[in-house]
Amino acid sequence: KNEVEQSPQNLTAQEGEFITINCSYSVGISALHWLQQHPGGGIVSLFMLSSGKKKHGRLIATINIQEKHSSLHITASHPRDSAVYICASSLSGGGADGLTFGKGTHLIIQP
Amino acid sequence: KAGVTQTPRYLIKTRGQQVTLSCSPISGHRSVSWYQQTPGQGLQFLFEYFSETQRNKGNFPGRFSGRQFSNSRSEMNVSTLELGDSALYLCASSLGGASYEQYFGPGTRLTVT
Repeated sequence: KNEVEQSPQNLTAQEGEFITINCSYSVGISALHWLQQHPGGGIVSLFMLSSGKKKHGRLIATINIQEKHSSLHITASHPRDSAVYICASSLSGGGADGLTFGKGTHLIIQP
Repeated sequence: KAGVTQTPRYLIKTRGQQVTLSCSPISGHRSVSWYQQTPGQGLQFLFEYFSETQRNKGNFPGRFSGRQFSNSRSEMNVSTLELGDSALYLCASSLGGASYEQYFGPGTRLTVT
């Protein structure tokens, strides 16, 4: 059974700080997703990765397949980055499965 | 390109009733997945449809069912509603399933009284 663990559960930081959110999973996966959810419920996909590192603006996502671990980094954090960040995995073996989600990291960036 | 749409956005039902939720995927996407989000359990996978076939199902009772039409639009149905079914129901569309980038709809917030 695939389990996804995230840390920290809650994180409050000052504007401009470098933020790291960690995600670990228990079995081989085909892809790791990082999602952002704002109050009101809408979910946006930030990254999908199966190896290495991806960067988009101030966001960077990395994955270490051997260690079954992924990180999401936010550089020069801003109050608009305040949201819930969720990692989710899909199992190896093809697309015929659903995502398994971590419990999310509640991030608050204070001005 | 239009995003994923879900209707209705809000719904209030009484215990024992049934409900049907609708999801229209991004044009060209053949996979639609449904998820339930509650404060206690977080996000959980309900089922996934691809080209009108249910390919996988999460650990939910048979009261939860769905279908997909030839235009890829999908519906999910919950029969004999229970208080615990109150949740945000999200659908996500993609080109091929969970190993592809997921595009989420805004969700339907269901309240069961």
